[in-house]
Amino acid sequence: GAGVSQSPSNKVTEKGKDVELRCDPISGHTALYWYRQSLGQGLEFLIYFQGNSAPDKSGLPSDRFSAERTGGSVSTLTIQRTQQEDSAVYLCASSLDSSRGELFFGEGSRLTVL
Amino acid sequence: GQSLEQPSEVTAVEGAIVQINCTYQTSGFYGLSWYQQHDGGAPTFLSYNALDGLEETGRFSSFLSRSDSYGYLLLQELQMKDSASYFCAPNNAGNMLTFGGGTRLMVKP
Repeated sequence: GAGVSQSPSNKVTEKGKDVELRCDPISGHTALYWYRQSLGQGLEFLIYFQGNSAPDKSGLPSDRFSAERTGGSVSTLTIQRTQQEDSAVYLCASSLDSSRGELFFGEGSRLTVL
Repeated sequence: GQSLEQPSEVTAVEGAIVQINCTYQTSGFYGLSWYQQHDGGAPTFLSYNALDGLEETGRFSSFLSRSDSYGYLLLQELQMKDSASYFCAPNNAGNMLTFGGGTRLMVKP
């Protein structure tokens, strides 16, 4: 695709349910990032993939959060047993050469946990 | 450890020049990126400084001093559409970009 695609764009769920967020990066981009942004706040780093491997998982807030990437392309971020504090916009970004600091962001998935 | 400081909010008038400062502390520093984010939108890349000095891209310029762990974004001839949040993001070893809280710029007529 032309840009980074994320789905769903909006997700409302009940506390305790599991959710899965999907990111389809720009074709050929080897680096993929997940960030979380609460309303009016900055971007919180969650995880980074280079190809299918994640050298840095230190940003995942708890063991309820997991992410995977297959085929060096699509990535899914899974949140188990969602809590109200998980409510935020989850942003995915991809990069062809992340050494230049240039990431291309998707429009995000807005998660609301009731 | 890692730290990042930017002013939380800046206000300026249309046509003016504004400078948004960024100080950082991070291990394995590679360079400093700047991003713009309009309300409800996705962050978009503005510039990247790997070396000391000034990089100019149209009305926007970005500066880096590696020895001072300091950079700034300079916006000239401000327009109303420049009202947005601006984030500096150090690129550290492992190509992890860390974003701070950002600076909310309000441009007034």
